[in-house]
Amino acid sequence: EPEVTQTPSHQVTQMGQEVILRCVPISNHLYFYWYRQILGQKVEFLVSFYNNEISEKSEIFDDQFSVERPDGSNFTLKIRSTKLEDSAMYFCASTLQGSRDTQYFGPGTRLTVL
Amino acid sequence: AQSVTQLGSHVSVSEGALVLLRCNYSSSVPPYLFWYVQYPNQGLQLLLKYTSAATLVKGINGFEAEFKKSETSFHLTKPSAHMSDAAEYFCAVSANTGNQFYFGTGTSLTVIP
Repeated sequence: EPEVTQTPSHQVTQMGQEVILRCVPISNHLYFYWYRQILGQKVEFLVSFYNNEISEKSEIFDDQFSVERPDGSNFTLKIRSTKLEDSAMYFCASTLQGSRDTQYFGPGTRLTVL
Repeated sequence: AQSVTQLGSHVSVSEGALVLLRCNYSSSVPPYLFWYVQYPNQGLQLLLKYTSAATLVKGINGFEAEFKKSETSFHLTKPSAHMSDAAEYFCAVSANTGNQFYFGTGTSLTVIP
């Protein structure tokens, strides 16, 4: 069964450094998402991406964040200058259709900012 | 705005006992509701979803959930817990407009042998 994959599974970085989290969505899906979960808190929406542009973003997704689909398979989340409060589990998801369609999630990347 | 609340961050049941995980939602329009399960070191896996058809929804691994509009609830149940059910369970509601999901804080299920 097709699945969403994410790399790395765990990323440790120093505050102020740039990180890129990578995702490979399900191949025929058209909508892509990033969510994050700070330890003990809710899974929170960051951004959705369709047709090579951001379709929605939350208040969390400020200028420090960016997303990109550099080729036909990868979908990346970049954090330019990491802060301690960026430490969280980051989940990528994809759907074939958009609104209200089942979202298929990857295993997550645990980001630790020291 | 939509939201979900999951009561009980940790639930423990004995093997063979009923599993009941609670989820209440808030939505100004008929919602689409989802239950996901996360096993250790794995992604969120869809258990079941409600899309305004039958109010009793059956999912994988023997789980089911009942949509109750009067109670704004979508509780997840399984008649008999198995050791392999130990995991984190998330309830989610889809946005009325746009594509995002709103998640609860999750319930960690422990199954005691």
